Amino acid sequence: AQTVTQSQPEMSVQEAETVTLSCTYDTSENNYYLFWYKQPPSRQMILVIRQEAYKQQNATENRFSVNFQKAAKSFSLKISDSQLGDTAMYFCAFISTSGTYKYIFGTGTRLKVLA
Amino acid sequence: EAQVTQNPRYLITVTGKKLTVTCSQNMNHEYMSWYRQDPGLGLRQIYYSMNVEVTDKGDVPEGYKVSRKEKRNFPLILESPSPNQTSLYFCASMRTGTPYEQYFGPGTRLTVT
Repeated sequence: AQTVTQSQPEMSVQEAETVTLSCTYDTSENNYYLFWYKQPPSRQMILVIRQEAYKQQNATENRFSVNFQKAAKSFSLKISDSQLGDTAMYFCAFISTSGTYKYIFGTGTRLKVLA
Repeated sequence: EAQVTQNPRYLITVTGKKLTVTCSQNMNHEYMSWYRQDPGLGLRQIYYSMNVEVTDKGDVPEGYKVSRKEKRNFPLILESPSPNQTSLYFCASMRTGTPYEQYFGPGTRLTVT
């Protein structure tokens, strides 16, 4: 069974600094996608970034980038130049595209950006 | 506007009183799913559907039912709600193909007393 683990329940970072959120996963599949979703206080779930497992190049979206280590099954999110609007819960997620299409989420990391 | 809608947004009910939470999407997505979110547990998948009349259990299906009679709708049914089903519920949809990005509804806060 696939699992997603986020070992940091809470983190904080000063505005304009850089922070890295950790995520590890376990799967025997070869075809899968990994995601980071953001949930601000409004509760709306928003996609931050996506990584296809077959791509070696790490995905980037403006201030957000990932460090994808396939052999280590690690998928961390780096937020550069943190802004107050980045304060949110962040969820790591996994979907296998060669089987059941079950979406697996981690338990989340609550990030607070300090002014 | 592309969106996933859920109703109601808030619901307080009593143990054993059947309820339905509706979910609808206007993006012609094949895949729809229900999740519950609880503190410290993240989002856990209840049921998902790959297409009309095709549904599968997620990780926490006990006490819930779903149906997919139309592509756009995927209601969540609690036949006999219990207090341990008090939670925040999200419906989501996506294309069954790259990029596999899910679009979420605004959530339904359910309290069972």
